[in-house]
Amino acid sequence: GESVGLHLPTLSVQEGDNSIINCAYSNSASDYFIWYKQESGKGPQFIIDIRSNMDKRQGQRVTVLLNKTVKHLSLQIAATQPGDSAVYFCAEGMGGSYIPTFGRGTSLIVHP
Amino acid sequence: GAGVSQSPRYKVAKRGQDVALRCDPISGHVSLFWYQQALGQGPEFLTYFQNEAQLDKSGLPSDRFFAERPEGSVSTLKIQRTQQEDSAVYLCASSPQGAIGNTIYFGEGSWLTVV
Repeated sequence: GESVGLHLPTLSVQEGDNSIINCAYSNSASDYFIWYKQESGKGPQFIIDIRSNMDKRQGQRVTVLLNKTVKHLSLQIAATQPGDSAVYFCAEGMGGSYIPTFGRGTSLIVHP
Repeated sequence: GAGVSQSPRYKVAKRGQDVALRCDPISGHVSLFWYQQALGQGPEFLTYFQNEAQLDKSGLPSDRFFAERPEGSVSTLKIQRTQQEDSAVYLCASSPQGAIGNTIYFGEGSWLTVV
């Protein structure tokens, strides 16, 4: 079936670097996308979202880019900090009121 | 205020045993979700409630899985005759309105190990 997937299972960066986490989705009907952060032993935590009528959205130190042509989503984290170390999931949904469908996740490791 | 609370945090069950996992959502939250997360995987949707109504249970893997929310607040996920493949973290989440991503809050999960 259609699903959300991630290109890189693990990403290691140095503190202060910018990080880019990628996600491919295959359901062309999805119109809402979210990035979650999950720290060890905790539940997923909302980071940022974007609707399909946008191609970029910025938050505090984070930016989400959406390329609907190639069904690609990315999360950019500026000046990555050790506290950013976690697993990051993209999730998709559709129809306005939806239930998030998660991908496999990317583990981000930030070295001090 | 308090977040989504789940209990027990850790449960070891013998194969064939029944288990019950409890979720206390954030007070006043209308929507409640259950997800199953296997090691190294993303959360997989199990079921969704709006108040006491179970609107979607399409993700429940078998008839051994049952969820309820009789008074529209606390929810229980019950797994009968547990099997080793049921070992996972069971995440509960709640939302004050419909299933809108930026308003969904997750609990820390109940870690189930079936031996």
